[in-house]
Amino acid sequence: KQEVTQIPAALSVPEGENLVLNCSFTDSAIYNLQWFRQDPGKGLTSLLLIQSSQREQTSGRLNASLDKSSGRSTLYIAASQPGDSATYLCAVQAGNNRKLIWGLGTSLAVNP
Amino acid sequence: EAGVAQSPRYKIIEKRQSVAFWCNPISGHATLYWYQQILGQGPKLLIQFQNNGVVDDSQLPKDRFSAERLKGVDSTLKIQPAKLEDSAVYLCASSAQGDEQFFGPGTRLTVL
Repeated sequence: KQEVTQIPAALSVPEGENLVLNCSFTDSAIYNLQWFRQDPGKGLTSLLLIQSSQREQTSGRLNASLDKSSGRSTLYIAASQPGDSATYLCAVQAGNNRKLIWGLGTSLAVNP
Repeated sequence: EAGVAQSPRYKIIEKRQSVAFWCNPISGHATLYWYQQILGQGPKLLIQFQNNGVVDDSQLPKDRFSAERLKGVDSTLKIQPAKLEDSAVYLCASSAQGDEQFFGPGTRLTVL
């Protein structure tokens, strides 16, 4: 059974720091991995999608990597800003019905 | 391109009342999803539509929840009667080809 784990559960950093959020999954048979951002009580914003054949994707200050064989993905945020404060969730798409299996998220606080 | 639209954004009801949520996916997206997200947890898929047909409703509590997508475009999710444990954010998402999912702003439901 596919399980997704995100570490750490919470992270607090000063503004300007580069940081890494981790996501691991137990079964390498995935179609893709998606990183989302969620502000409190709000919907999900898709940040990056990495297909199973890809190694990384970049968007602005965000870079996501995927190592399918080891079941790991990282989301790198460069030069963090207070506006980056949110919960970051990763999800893998897997199975015959291509369901998304979710981690519980990392709650990030960037302090001015 | 307009995103996924949801309404209402917030709803407060008494237990045993009924409630309905509406979702309009991104134009042209064949796949529509309804998720329930309880505070501190990842989203849980309630139902997935492909055009106007149901692909997966295995986690939909069918004794009280129902959903429809009659014309293969917008969708409604209904809860009747509501229970306290239904308090959550209800998220709608759509996908063009079953891979990358785009989410709406969500409806926060509070059942008193």
